[in-house]
Amino acid sequence: DTEVTQTPKHLVMGMTNKKSLKCEQHMGHRAMYWYKQKAKKPPELMFVYSYEKLSINESVPSRFSPECPNSSLLNLHLHALQPEDSALYLCASSQVRTSGYNEQFFGPGTRLTVL
Amino acid sequence: GQNIDQPTEMTATEGAIVQINCTYQTSGFNGLFWYQQHAGEAPTFLSYNVLDGLEEKGRFSSFLSRSKGYSYLLLKELQMKDSASYLCAVKTDKLSFGAGTTVTVRA
Repeated sequence: DTEVTQTPKHLVMGMTNKKSLKCEQHMGHRAMYWYKQKAKKPPELMFVYSYEKLSINESVPSRFSPECPNSSLLNLHLHALQPEDSALYLCASSQVRTSGYNEQFFGPGTRLTVL
Repeated sequence: GQNIDQPTEMTATEGAIVQINCTYQTSGFNGLFWYQQHAGEAPTFLSYNVLDGLEEKGRFSSFLSRSKGYSYLLLKELQMKDSASYLCAVKTDKLSFGAGTTVTVRA
């Protein structure tokens, strides 16, 4: 299984809603990532988990709260978002290597619209 | 941080060759990746270079010169399905992406 799955595919939420994005992989990868991608822009790293511990937080606002309940799952909890947070949210996973070949496998993304 | 530059757009004819250049300035270089991303889809891995030289994989090749902070992705025998955005990504302690080059293949 070389697939990263993400649910839901599309999400529309109001600024007062609480929702969660889910990501799952069964490749035995111990590093998992959240990226945000706006239209016609490159993916921007948000969070990195390594061995289920948060290792990088790219100064993301607290209205985004990541969670890694086990080595296969990664969640992103959303609360009090702003319309400018509308974007494609990509999850990725990889083996944990500080150097060398370390391909990240990306999920199909969740298209988020904040009204 | 990393400065990663690549052209915004390129257009080529089916069957032709296109070369997408990427220049970067970084510290702690740990390799360079090329990803392909079709509109509305996730990026998919194309190639990885960490040593200087050319890596060939079918119709796609990637080159790296670490001393020049330069890489290119070469797409040969272009097909319509190659129309996509091509992202150059530099690995340090994390992966940083360039803005992407949108390649349009015309019949």
